[in-house]
Amino acid sequence: AIQMTQSPSSLSASVGDRVTITCRASQGIRNDLGWYQQKPGKAPKLLIYAASSLQSGVPSRFSGSGSGTDFTLTISSLQPEDFATYYCLQDYNYPITFGPGTKVDIK
Amino acid sequence: QLQLQESGPGLVKPSETLSLTCTVSGGSISSSSYYWGWIRQPPGKGLEWIGSIYYSGSTYYNPSLKSRVTISVDTSKNQFSLKLSSVTAADTAVYYCARRAVAPRWFDPWGQGTLVTVSS
Repeated sequence: AIQMTQSPSSLSASVGDRVTITCRASQGIRNDLGWYQQKPGKAPKLLIYAASSLQSGVPSRFSGSGSGTDFTLTISSLQPEDFATYYCLQDYNYPITFGPGTKVDIK
Repeated sequence: QLQLQESGPGLVKPSETLSLTCTVSGGSISSSSYYWGWIRQPPGKGLEWIGSIYYSGSTYYNPSLKSRVTISVDTSKNQFSLKLSSVTAADTAVYYCARRAVAPRWFDPWGQGTLVTVSS
């Protein structure tokens, strides 16, 4: 199975900060990577698919990049509603695997 | 707007079988553009893909659970279901159902999730 790692595991940031989260796959996954946001008690929400495509309705401050094994999620200017846990997911082959998550909280 | 809703018992005894159903509304489960999947999340932990099914009945399971998992689809009811046998406390989790696009690949939308506790 492809292993997904994320860094950092958590971070503290302020409103307006630029935030970058990294996801690495244990082998190449082309661009079959998605980013999901999860708030406490809620289902995950799709933000980015195919590594860099913004899901409809998601604010443009979210962006994704990367291909192969290394990927990033960037929030250009953190907003109060962005404090959450972020997961990457590889859908290149089975079993589908998630990263362990990055918790973004208020500094 | 497509919506998914999980249903099933919230409490299951150890060694028994967990059974959940996901009802799809606002769209057809028989679309060739999508798979339908189950994902779970133990309390305070990360997400784990359980398996996916195509409307034709083709299934894909996580090898870590494959010996205990069965996912099925009922196109007449616009539902798909999860059965997980021989459960233990380690299977206590919030179980989500979600639609998975074939290409490009993504999971969206998700159901709200249902907590299943394994306890005697």
